[in-house]
Amino acid sequence: DTEVTQTPKHLVMGMTNKKSLKCEQHMGHRAMYWYKQKAKKPPELMFVYSYEKLSINESVPSRFSPECPNSSLLNLHLHALQPEDSALYLCASSQDGGRARDTQYFGPGTRLTVL
Amino acid sequence: KQEVTQIPAALSVPEGENLVLNCSFTDSAIYNLQWFRQDPGKGLTSLLLIQSSQREQTSGRLNASLDKSSGRSTLYIAASQPGDSATYLCAVRLGQAGTALIFGKGTTLSVSS
Repeated sequence: DTEVTQTPKHLVMGMTNKKSLKCEQHMGHRAMYWYKQKAKKPPELMFVYSYEKLSINESVPSRFSPECPNSSLLNLHLHALQPEDSALYLCASSQDGGRARDTQYFGPGTRLTVL
Repeated sequence: KQEVTQIPAALSVPEGENLVLNCSFTDSAIYNLQWFRQDPGKGLTSLLLIQSSQREQTSGRLNASLDKSSGRSTLYIAASQPGDSATYLCAVRLGQAGTALIFGKGTTLSVSS
């Protein structure tokens, strides 16, 4: 099973709301990623967790707060977002045992609209 | 800084044609290169991964090649079908554990029946 699941599929929120995106994988992968993708643009990295520790934060505003409660689960907490944060948020995971053949597997994404 | 470029940005072909999508990268010190497919509004589906020590990978009608020294990869699609219509993204990975992919902007393919 090479499935990464994301919930919810769609989310509409106001600028004062607090919400969370959830990502789950049961492939035993030890690295998990959040990407942001604007319309007609490629995905851009936001955060990387490696062995449940935050290893990369690509200068993402503090209104985005990642959390990795365990090796299978990755959350992205959202607070006081701006309309320009509207995008498709993609989660990915990879084995990352240091092998060059490690593939990143992506979830279907959460379509976020900020009003 | 690694940059990934994909040419062409869009491609329209009739069903049955063989076609080639191109990807180039500026820094040859890559760990691996992945080709993905993305349907509108959907997530990414991994098609092929080529390790830095490999020259090509094949899966069904797809063949991807890698020339690290020249910073190029190609994705060859044989006997294209309308169901192949999607955006194809090339991405390179620079390091080992926990490092992310750097994506090109993609080639949007339309195959007409």
